[in-house]
Amino acid sequence: NAGVTQTPKFRVLKTGQSMTLLCAQDMNHEYMYWYRQDPGMGLRLIHYSVGEGTTAKGEVPDGYNVSRLKKQNFLLGLESAAPSQTSVYFCASSYSREAYEQYFGPGTRLTVT
Amino acid sequence: KNEVEQSPQNLTAQEGEFITINCSYSVGISALHWLQQHPGGGIVSLFMLSSGKKKHGRLIATINIQEKHSSLHITASHPRDSAVYICAPAYYSGGGADGLTFGKGTHLIIQP
Repeated sequence: NAGVTQTPKFRVLKTGQSMTLLCAQDMNHEYMYWYRQDPGMGLRLIHYSVGEGTTAKGEVPDGYNVSRLKKQNFLLGLESAAPSQTSVYFCASSYSREAYEQYFGPGTRLTVT
Repeated sequence: KNEVEQSPQNLTAQEGEFITINCSYSVGISALHWLQQHPGGGIVSLFMLSSGKKKHGRLIATINIQEKHSSLHITASHPRDSAVYICAPAYYSGGGADGLTFGKGTHLIIQP
């Protein structure tokens, strides 16, 4: 039982490049989330999904797109990376909404130069 | 938007001391989460509570819904407790799963 996994763990991009971060969970959770963590700030929600085929915007969605084609996977895409997207990205999943424990992935450290 | 304040921001203590971390928030909530972020970056959920008190090993979390305040206590602290502790009140508006607002965290160092 791997829990929540994220790939890649580290990535360096040049401004304007694109990439996709993959999150996978094996707990059959309905809810999945993408957060970013920046120095001196709390975690902030980028996008989330309440089930397969559904996604919604969070607090800081601009510059990102997501897809949830399979229940166990939640993809975060950056179409044209900007230095402001340099951050640590965490994926999380939960059985149901905020009254249930969230399980976090190990994080992806992204640097955009 | 829920404003979340944690105190202290940084805390250094000696092994064995009793630790208290406080969390205040501005909007009524349905639940509150306490998370631990290890020095390597991984985040784990410690507690989710909506009233009263919960205990897990040497960790105790309390919440006062009326006063919009929660505390995390660590008894008999140990160097392995060194981590960032994050408070995250959860408010469900009926609009979806987006309900957590995260504090900036309390950086705890326990010295042997």
